[in-house]
Amino acid sequence: EDKVVQSPLSLVVHEGDTVTLNCSYEVTNFRSLLWYKQEKKAPTFLFMLTSSGIEKKSGRLSSILDKKELFSILNITATQTGDSAIYLCAGLTSGTYKYIFGTGTRLKVLA
Amino acid sequence: EPEVTQTPSHQVTQMGQEVILRCVPISNHLYFYWYRQILGQKVEFLVSFYNNEISEKSEIFDDQFSVERPDGSNFTLKIRSTKLEDSAMYFCASSDSGFGSNEKLFFGSGTQLSVL
Repeated sequence: EDKVVQSPLSLVVHEGDTVTLNCSYEVTNFRSLLWYKQEKKAPTFLFMLTSSGIEKKSGRLSSILDKKELFSILNITATQTGDSAIYLCAGLTSGTYKYIFGTGTRLKVLA
Repeated sequence: EPEVTQTPSHQVTQMGQEVILRCVPISNHLYFYWYRQILGQKVEFLVSFYNNEISEKSEIFDDQFSVERPDGSNFTLKIRSTKLEDSAMYFCASSDSGFGSNEKLFFGSGTQLSVL
């Protein structure tokens, strides 16, 4: 059965800290991995990763995929209180194009 | 940026009643999805829809659930006889997944369904 596992489940840090969120996957006919941020309602897109070893970066956020070890990490540097959210990763399968979500990591950044 | 639109934002219903949740996916997208998220839990896949038919459904998507694309724009999820455990946030999503296409999944803002 396809699954995506995220760790840690929750994390509390102080502003300015750097955090690393982990995502491992076992997805049949894997196509890509996506990261989302969920604050109040709908998840909003952060990154899509298809190739191993190529870092994607957006401001203080960056992410990389390792297709050999079947995991991805999301890094947030110099965290701010506005980074407090649930971070979701999802694996996308080929064929039926199903997105399988992990349980999420709940990040809380304290001022 | 284009948006997926969902209505209503909140729906309260009595157990055993039928509900229809409505969605307007992004116009040029080809794949449509329903996900649900019970409070504090993970985003769970319900069903995917492509080319006017279901392409995959989860174990949650039993005979009480159905989806329809009644016209060129709307995508609906019907729950025939709601149960207490159907209470959740229901997200519609769409993507342009396909060979060489952008595979980013766009979510609607959700319908919070409360079954009493």
